[in-house]
Amino acid sequence: AQSVTQLGSHVSVSEGALVLLRCNYSSSVPPYLFWYVQYPNQGLQLLLKYTSAATLVKGINGFEAEFKKSETSFHLTKPSAHMSDAAEYFCAVSDRAGANSKLTFGKGITLSVRP
Amino acid sequence: DSGVTQTPKHLITATGQRVTLRCSPRSGDLSVYWYQQSLDQGLQFLIQYYNGEERAKGNILERFSAQQFPDLHSELNLSSLELGDSALYFCASSVVVLEAGELFFGEGSRLTVL
Repeated sequence: AQSVTQLGSHVSVSEGALVLLRCNYSSSVPPYLFWYVQYPNQGLQLLLKYTSAATLVKGINGFEAEFKKSETSFHLTKPSAHMSDAAEYFCAVSDRAGANSKLTFGKGITLSVRP
Repeated sequence: DSGVTQTPKHLITATGQRVTLRCSPRSGDLSVYWYQQSLDQGLQFLIQYYNGEERAKGNILERFSAQQFPDLHSELNLSSLELGDSALYFCASSVVVLEAGELFFGEGSRLTVL
């Protein structure tokens, strides 16, 4: 069974600083990996996804993530944090495509951005 | 707006009661997923339907059941409610493609059991 681990539950950065949110996965087959963001009182929306193409994936709002098989990691980064980035971020993994695909989510990390 | 509609947005009920949560997926999406989000358990996968058929089951309690109707909307039924069932319940839908698809989430139904 696949799983993801997100270390820490809360990250705080200053506006303009680098954002780094960590995610490590476990999967018996080549995984599909995702980062989702949840703003207050909203549902989750996709930031970016890795599906075995380029290992460096660019997403919306300036976020990107790099798939590192040797480290079983898929960390999310953004060079310069903005106040609007404050939200909860979820890493997720799927081990298959198609009709039977389902996502297993990590516990999430709350990102706070200080002015 | 993801295109996924969930009703009701908020629901307060008492222990022992039964509630039904409804989800309308994005137009054209055949797969519907239900997730439960709580502070202690995080986001837990409950169940998936594809074109009316159950495809995958996660940590869904026996007191909970779901179905997907011919028009593709889905309902999650929660019965004999307990305090611990208080949570945010999300529905998501997806397009079935050859590679892993994106899930589109509704805004959730917040259930409070008193």
